[in-house]
Formats: sequence, C-alpha cells, structure tokens
Amino acid sequence: AQSVTQPDIHITVSEGASLELRCNYSYGATPYLFWYVQSPGQGLQLLLKYFSGDTLVQGIKGFEAEFKRSQSSFNLRKPSVHWSDAAEYFCAVAPTTGGFKTIFGAGTRLFVKA
Amino acid sequence: GAVVSQHPSRVICKSGTSVKIECRSLDFQATTMFWYRQFPKKSLMLMATSNEGSKATYEQGVEKDKFLINHASLTLSTLTVTSAHPEDSSFYICSAPKPGQAYEQYFGPGTRLTVT
Repeated sequence: AQSVTQPDIHITVSEGASLELRCNYSYGATPYLFWYVQSPGQGLQLLLKYFSGDTLVQGIKGFEAEFKRSQSSFNLRKPSVHWSDAAEYFCAVAPTTGGFKTIFGAGTRLFVKA
Repeated sequence: GAVVSQHPSRVICKSGTSVKIECRSLDFQATTMFWYRQFPKKSLMLMATSNEGSKATYEQGVEKDKFLINHASLTLSTLTVTSAHPEDSSFYICSAPKPGQAYEQYFGPGTRLTVT
C-alpha cells in the first residue's frame, strides 16, 4: 500500500540550530515528492519538490531536501532554524503515472525555542 | 501568484443543519479541485476530487450523500456538509492544480467547521 511515514510527531530545536525532519515513503515506483508547511490556521505552502534529476533539492525559506532512493527517504533540512519556522511540516507523494492524488504523511510539529 | 480562497474561514452550525463551503481559484481556471479533511493533530485525508461539469469522485469511505460536491464553474467548487453532526467538526481544505505544473497544487487556507 502507498504510504508516507513521518516518524517524529514533534521536534523541538533551538533557534539557530540545524534541523532535519524525516520522511519515508512506500510506493510502487519513485513518486513525485513534496514538503509542505502549514502555519496555525493556515493552508499549506509548498516548500520544495522532487520530480527527477539532482537528488538534493533547494526550496524556499532556506530549506533543502535530499532524495535517497535506496532508503525511500526524502528528509528535509535547514542549517539554521528561525523562530518563524515553527509550524507543521508535511511530507507528501504523488504518482508519476497520472492523476493528482497526493498522499500526505501525518506531519511533524516543529517547536523553536529561544 | 495564483491563489485559492475558501469561504467561510470558520463556521459554527447546529446539529442537523447543512453548511456550504466555497473554494475559489482566484486568477486561474481549475477543471479539477480537491477536498481534504484534516483531523486535529492528523494529516490531510483526501475526501474527493471535484470535476467541473461532471460528478465528483469520492474516496473510499467518504459518504457521497453527506458531503455534496458541486463544481459549478471553472473557478468555483463547493462542499456542502448535510445534516451535520458533531463528528463532522474538522478542518476542511481545498486545493487546485497549479496551471501548467504537473502534480503541484495550490491549497486554500482551510475552513474550520464546528458542529454543536
């Protein structure tokens, strides 16, 4: 079955520290991969996406993610976290074979402490 | 940039009543829109795919008669929760595919429904 796993329900990091949010997927083939951020009461904003090519992708707000086919992972990273990064982060996959049906992970809530 | 709006952002209704949520693509056309439901501290669950000019496609386990979807135009899809019950209380989010960009979606800001 297709699924996306974000093993960390919540993470707390200090402002200025580095961040890594984990994401693993189970899919028949390499899907399209996404990371979204959701601030409280807000819709989702796309941080970055992987379709093909370079496995290290750069996104907005200083985020990057690395696709590792052997590990079926697409972890999100940021070298220095800002207080404004506190939000919910969702990893998602979509099929490459057609259609827009997107499957989301359960999300990771990021807390940033001063 | 392209934006998807939702109205209302928050609604409270009594049990047994119906409530309509609108999803609009503001500066682009969307023949397809998606409706998601987000439970507290949970991920987004795709409820249905709204198709302009034809019936919506519902995901398994979603009651068609309970969650009526109408894609009235290329910029508007509505979700009507009929005979609402407290367990229908949730955060409902719509999305529309980004024009010309495969598999990317613009998400609306969501609608918080509370059924009392």
